[in-house]
Amino acid sequence: EDQVTQSPEALRLQEGESSSLNCSYTVSGLRGLFWYRQDPGKGPEFLFTLYSAGEEKEKERLKATLTKKESFLHITAPKPEDSATYLCAVEGDSNYQLIWGAGTKLIIKP
Amino acid sequence: ETGVTQSPTHLIKTRGQQVTLRCSSQSGHNTVSWYQQALGQGPQFIFQYYREEENGRGNFPPRFSGLQFPNYSSELNVNALELDDSALYLCASSTWGPPGDTQYFGPGTRLTVL
Repeated sequence: EDQVTQSPEALRLQEGESSSLNCSYTVSGLRGLFWYRQDPGKGPEFLFTLYSAGEEKEKERLKATLTKKESFLHITAPKPEDSATYLCAVEGDSNYQLIWGAGTKLIIKP
Repeated sequence: ETGVTQSPTHLIKTRGQQVTLRCSSQSGHNTVSWYQQALGQGPQFIFQYYREEENGRGNFPPRFSGLQFPNYSSELNVNALELDDSALYLCASSTWGPPGDTQYFGPGTRLTVL
C-alpha cells in the first residue's frame, strides 16, 4: 500500500537556525514526489517536484532532495515568514492520485 | 494567467443536507482533482475529472459526486451530509500529460456540518 510519513510533526526553530524536514515514502513506481507549503486556512502552495533519486531542487532558503526511500526539505537560515505547514505527497504508477503525508508544522521564532 | 478559484469560501450546513462546491481551473489546465482535508491532516483524494469524466476515485462513498464542464470548471456535490464531512475541501487543477505533472490548488472551501 502506498504510504507517506512525515517527521517531525512539529518543529520550532529560532530565526536563522537551519534544520531539515523528512518525508519517508512507500510507493509502487514513483512518478513524482511533491513538496507544498500550506498556510492556515489556505490551499497548498506548490514548492518542488522531484522525479528520481539523487535529484535536488532549490528555492530561496529551501532545498529539496530525494533518495529511493525518502525526501528531505532543508531550510537554511529560516525567517519568521517561513512558518507554515510543509506537506509532502507522492504519485505512484498505480493511478494518478496523490498520496499525502500529514505535514510538518514549522514555527520560526524571531 | 488566472489561478484556481473556489466558491464559496465558507459554508455551514446541517446534517442530512446537500451541498455543492465549485471550482474554476487554472488557465490551460484540463484536469481537476478534489481533496478533503480534515484539521491537522494531509489532503485525502476524493476523485479526479478529465474530459468531463471521472478518472480515478479515492475511498469515498457514492454520496460524494462530481461534474466537470466543457470549460474544465468542476463541481463537488455531497449528499446526506454527516458531521465527519466537516473539513476543508480543496480543488486542484493540472494538465493531463506526463506522469507527476504538478497540481495547483485553490484556496479551499471550509465546510462545517452541524
